[in-house]
Amino acid sequence: IAGITQAPTSQILAAGRRMTLRCTQDMRHNAMYWYRQDLGLGLRLIHYSNTAGTTGKGEVPDGYSVSRANTDDFPLTLASAVPSQTSVYFCASSVLAGEDNEQFFGPGTRLTVL
Amino acid sequence: QKEVEQDPGPLSVPEGAIVSLNCTYSNSAFQYFMWYRQYSRKGPELLMYTYSSGNKEDGRFTAQVDKSSKYISLFIRDSQPSDSATYLCFTSGTYKYIFGTGTRLKVLA
Repeated sequence: IAGITQAPTSQILAAGRRMTLRCTQDMRHNAMYWYRQDLGLGLRLIHYSNTAGTTGKGEVPDGYSVSRANTDDFPLTLASAVPSQTSVYFCASSVLAGEDNEQFFGPGTRLTVL
Repeated sequence: QKEVEQDPGPLSVPEGAIVSLNCTYSNSAFQYFMWYRQYSRKGPELLMYTYSSGNKEDGRFTAQVDKSSKYISLFIRDSQPSDSATYLCFTSGTYKYIFGTGTRLKVLA
């Protein structure tokens, strides 16, 4: 089934630990995105990638890094997790980068940092 | 000031009611507007997409954009319990992708 998969589904993490959230799409979309969703704040863009080999910073990039080695995978890394990074993380993709493109979302990863 | 403001709700309506969901935005450079629907513990999915001012209809759903007042709306006619979800407005500019905070809707049978 075509779409976006995210792993893990949920995770509890000790503060200071390193964590990588995985995202894979099989739709051959060029652009990919990482958002975090928090109550009262909605979805906020962390990082994006317009095409394989390129990445850019979104609204809330501090404490996160991404890489885009190929078209399908877009992992998000927390180098040293802090409790304020407790959130639901969504990966998304679109056929092309740009403001008029529908974004397709994965099921999300629920992360708790203690 | 947030670039997109959305009433958070929650909103509870009886089945069959007309629902109005609204957002305002501040940047006149924003040209594209979308509404996403998000069911509990799921990722958002696109519901409606508009570019110009005016109305766009799709079944029971109508999206309205008024660029002069920077106001976007989603109307749901004959609401159903299956419409119970969080509705997120979305707009975008050059490398800017901005969601509203979402309005949680519950349609009571």
